[in-house]
Amino acid sequence: DTEVTQTPKHLVMGMTNKKSLKCEQHMGHRAMYWYKQKAKKPPELMFVYSYEKLSINESVPSRFSPECPNSSLLNLHLHALQPEDSALYLCASSRGKYGTANTGELFFGEGSRLTVL
Amino acid sequence: SQQGEEDPQALSIQEGENATMNCSYKTSINNLQWYRQNSGRGLVHLILIRSNEREKHSGRLRVTLDTSKKSSSLLITASRAADTASYFCATDGLYGNKLVFGAGTILRVKS
Repeated sequence: DTEVTQTPKHLVMGMTNKKSLKCEQHMGHRAMYWYKQKAKKPPELMFVYSYEKLSINESVPSRFSPECPNSSLLNLHLHALQPEDSALYLCASSRGKYGTANTGELFFGEGSRLTVL
Repeated sequence: SQQGEEDPQALSIQEGENATMNCSYKTSINNLQWYRQNSGRGLVHLILIRSNEREKHSGRLRVTLDTSKKSSSLLITASRAADTASYFCATDGLYGNKLVFGAGTILRVKS
């Protein structure tokens, strides 16, 4: 069982829709991540939040908008997506100890499978 | 990019055999990690090896790291059908909080 919970598990949306993916963890972790994974490919880093502040944005298109309302929650707001954005979106968290450059173990959720029509 | 490259891309073995997967990367790292992913599911952390370590064991897993060659290997001994999954190495660059995954190896263990 994963301690990172992602909802919804599946999402189908049209190109004009606005939807959100949600991620929650209660392990007291202070770093949270969004990854995108296409079929038979490795996860690609999208965003990193450290202590609720956006610390890394891997040049992700603005139609993806992350939000970290508090230390336990991470959202990914989706708007005007393209069919090529269809993928498995994975949320992860890590201890994110302040002042250290080491990324420790990441705990992943089961992912939200997104289909854009 | 510090992304790891893995080989082989796919590996098929019989139950009870050992499986070895290799990973190479491009830039200096703080640590290297290995993850497993069952089809269409989240990733599960297997083992982390720091840049000043050369070998690490965890149960049936053995990981080696050669920073001079920028490479790592994952050995799974006495494989089981349940080990069938994709395996990814991931590197943590010097600035931290940025774990980048290699292409992965698809392991199939036949019973």
